[in-house]
Amino acid sequence: NSKVIQTPRYLVKGQGQKAKMRCIPEKGHPVVFWYQQNKNNEFKFLINFQNQEVLQQIDMTEKRFSAECPSNSPCSLEIQSSEAGDSALYLCASAGTGEQYFGPGTRLTVL
Amino acid sequence: GDSVTQTEGLVTLTEGLPVMLNCTYQTIYSNPFLFWYVQHLNESPRLLLKSFTDNKRTEHQGFHATLHKSSSSFHLQKSSAQLSDSALYYCALYQGGRALIFGTGTTVSVSP
Repeated sequence: NSKVIQTPRYLVKGQGQKAKMRCIPEKGHPVVFWYQQNKNNEFKFLINFQNQEVLQQIDMTEKRFSAECPSNSPCSLEIQSSEAGDSALYLCASAGTGEQYFGPGTRLTVL
Repeated sequence: GDSVTQTEGLVTLTEGLPVMLNCTYQTIYSNPFLFWYVQHLNESPRLLLKSFTDNKRTEHQGFHATLHKSSSSFHLQKSSAQLSDSALYYCALYQGGRALIFGTGTTVSVSP
């Protein structure tokens, strides 16, 4: 069973508001991923970190999305100015040398 | 680029019958990891099966799959479906440190 912790489970924001969600990866897992799963159940990779360094990120992430994984603190994903199209399930996953384990997700609704 | 193909969007079957979900992949990497994740309604994906060894059967919770690099396939099978198997199933490709490449998913609906 996954030991990845994500908070909050649900987040409701108005358009233009900031939305911030957090993730504590499984102990000993140096790699953390953020994915967005939309209402059609399609996955979109956003960003990943190894320890505190960004490994990969998509262009979208560079604009309104910001993320960090500081040492000794939860990882976080923040949307600076939420849009209706950002409504989705945001999944954090962590990995050791192999498989990725997902947290329960943060379901964001942008009104 | 890398890709994963799941040909069935929806599989409906009666409890007790066998189920097989197809998964094929394309990758430039010679040693990919292949996974099956299961996602029940209002939950997050849970790892069901994993493999990186060619021609070795892997089993978990009654499901099994064998990675065949010669045909780039990793089909999921179960001999007898249960009501609780109703869920979304994703095949995914992984190369260390990189993002998962997901298939489009197969919805399995098991009826009594």
